[in-house]
Amino acid sequence: SAVISQKPSRDICQRGTSLTIQCQVDSQVTMMFWYRQQPGQSLTLIATANQGSEATYESGFVIDKFPISRPNLTFSTLTVSNMSPEDSSIYLCSGGRDRDTGELFFGEGSRLTVL
Amino acid sequence: GENVEQHPSTLSVQEGDSAVIKCTYSDSASNYFPWYKQELGKRPQLIIDIRSNVGEKKDQRIAVTLNKTAKHFSLHITETQPEDSAVYFCAASSNTGRRALTFGSGTRLQVQP
Repeated sequence: SAVISQKPSRDICQRGTSLTIQCQVDSQVTMMFWYRQQPGQSLTLIATANQGSEATYESGFVIDKFPISRPNLTFSTLTVSNMSPEDSSIYLCSGGRDRDTGELFFGEGSRLTVL
Repeated sequence: GENVEQHPSTLSVQEGDSAVIKCTYSDSASNYFPWYKQELGKRPQLIIDIRSNVGEKKDQRIAVTLNKTAKHFSLHITETQPEDSAVYFCAASSNTGRRALTFGSGTRLQVQP
């Protein structure tokens, strides 16, 4: 398995501001993804973090709102830009080493509350 | 894209009884089907998974079955214990494309002592 650390673990933010979440994996992973989990809901894929290139976004998510970086195989950031109360959610980083097996492991999540 | 449906949304059982959670998927290319357990305020934890070349897999009190023809898979928990209480998510992915997981809506399992 891979150990995935995220920070901040939680934050309270003001409307209109931006916040960057960091994701650090203890070893190199081939795949990294960012998910959103709204209170009491399932996990929704935001984007695939591609090492050294632009992220691939899912329908309903755009780069201007959720810019993502992945400079190497162990680190990624997700920024939530120009936040509104609707962005209050848990943001989860996930990673996996082997595309053949498909196993993914998750960070503990970053709980954002936007006032 | 893939769509995963999960039932029931809530499940309450007595300690010692069995619990079954069912999922269906839409993409015939999906070949990996994990199950995650998420306790309140915690990260999703992988508890068992199955691949399309296998029909059933068991790990102690937990088993998963897969019917590729019908595109459904199920989680079976026997001899349930209060610590099994959590939200369980099924998921599916394909080894073509991005390999990301698509999750079901989740099942809140409550095991009554």
